[in-house]
Amino acid sequence: QVQVVESGGGVVQPGGSLRLSCAGSGFTFSNFALHWVRQAPGKGLEWVAVISLLGDRKHYADSVEGRFTISRDNSKNTLFLQMDSLRPEDTAVYYCAREGGGNTWSSFDYWGQGTLVTVSS
Amino acid sequence: QSALTQPASVSGSPGQSITISCTGTSSDVGSYNYVSWYQQHPGKAPRLLIYNVSDRPSGVSNRFSASKSGYTASLTISGLQAEDEADYYCSSYTSSSTFVFGTGTKVTVL
Repeated sequence: QVQVVESGGGVVQPGGSLRLSCAGSGFTFSNFALHWVRQAPGKGLEWVAVISLLGDRKHYADSVEGRFTISRDNSKNTLFLQMDSLRPEDTAVYYCAREGGGNTWSSFDYWGQGTLVTVSS
Repeated sequence: QSALTQPASVSGSPGQSITISCTGTSSDVGSYNYVSWYQQHPGKAPRLLIYNVSDRPSGVSNRFSASKSGYTASLTISGLQAEDEADYYCSSYTSSSTFVFGTGTKVTVL
């Protein structure tokens, strides 16, 4: 069955860096765009970034543009999120989600269980 | 990009129908039929309920239906059940090739 599993969360100081990973299985990884979505404690969902099938198209939320970098390694069925210059407001559960729309970006059909990132001194 | 506007809470009795609205702008909901809806139970990951405004993935109950008119999308839950008590979020593709979520609606089954 389709699965995406996040890892790499933890506690980091403000201004620090962290790299999240998301391993996909049960589907042809290179055939799907992928997203990162986050949820601050007790708050709503916030879309973070998307990457195309081959990694040649990337888009980011204004709140992370210039600080976060999304990438993928299709040979290892893995999605990444490099997070630099972290701020306390980046504290959240980060979800990896598969794009459900095929060649058009439209929705998030499979989600991981999330990994918690805490930015605190 | 501002979040789409949803009511903070909606409630209903078992068996009733409720509707959750999701209002956006000409840059998102009003221009694209890429509106989707998600259900999230406490401590769990979100689950896709509706995509492309009104399509249901396989395995989602037909008690969930949705539509869009202008800048507002709507999710209707018919025959409300205790298990429907959860948070619900809409989402839309935007003119910046990004996505935006709604503010979220807590559904309470009385």
